[in-house]
Amino acid sequence: DVKVTQSSRYLVKRTGEKVFLECVQDMDHENMFWYRQDPGLGLRLIYFSYDVKMKEKGDIPEGYSVSREKKERFSLILESASTNQTSMYLCASTPAGGPENEQFFGPGTRLTVL
Amino acid sequence: AQTVTQSQPEMSVQEAETVTLSCTYDTSESDYYLFWYKQPPSRQMILVIRQEAYKQQNATENRFSVNFQKAAKSFSLKISDSQLGDAAMYFCAYHSGYALNFGKGTSLLVTP
Repeated sequence: DVKVTQSSRYLVKRTGEKVFLECVQDMDHENMFWYRQDPGLGLRLIYFSYDVKMKEKGDIPEGYSVSREKKERFSLILESASTNQTSMYLCASTPAGGPENEQFFGPGTRLTVL
Repeated sequence: AQTVTQSQPEMSVQEAETVTLSCTYDTSESDYYLFWYKQPPSRQMILVIRQEAYKQQNATENRFSVNFQKAAKSFSLKISDSQLGDAAMYFCAYHSGYALNFGKGTSLLVTP
C-alpha cells in the first residue's frame, strides 16, 4: 500500500515564525503536491513538484515556498507565518504518467498560527 | 481555468437508502478525467471513483456509481445502500493537466 506521511498532525506556531511541514511517500512517486483545505473552500493547490529539485506554483503560492531535495520528501515552508495561514495542509503524491493516476493523500497537518 | 462546482454543502441519507451528490464543471477540453474523493472524519482522503471523459459508459465501483453527462458537464455520484461508514466529505475533482482542481465539497451525513 502507498503510504504518505506528514510530520505532524497538529502544529501551533506564532506569527512571524518560520514553519516547516514535511511530507514523505514510500512508493517512489515522481509527483508530489501541497494543498490547503479550508471549510467552504475545498482544497486549493499551493505548489507541486514533478521531480527532484523541480517545483511549480499552484493556485495560491503566496507566502509559501517548497523544497524537494529527495524524491520521497516534499517540504512546505512558511517563511513568516501569519494568522491567515491557519489551515489544514494536505500532501499528496502520484506516479508519473497520465491524468488518470490516483492521488494518494497524507493524513494532513492542522496548523494554527497565533 | 477550470472550475468545479458542488452545489450541495450538506446532504443527509438514511442507512440503506440511495443518495446522489451533484457536481458540475467547466472546461474547454475534450478529454479529461473526473474523480470523486472521500474524506472521512479525521482520516485520509481516498479515491472513490474515476471517469475518463472519452468513455461513454458510466464508471461503477461496488455501491458507488456516477452519472456522467459530458454535454451538460455534469458528474454526479450515486451511493446505493448507504452505510454509516459512508459519512464523510466528498469532493469532486477535475484533472486540469497538471493537478487536480477540487470542488468545495459535500458533507454527507448518514442516519441510522
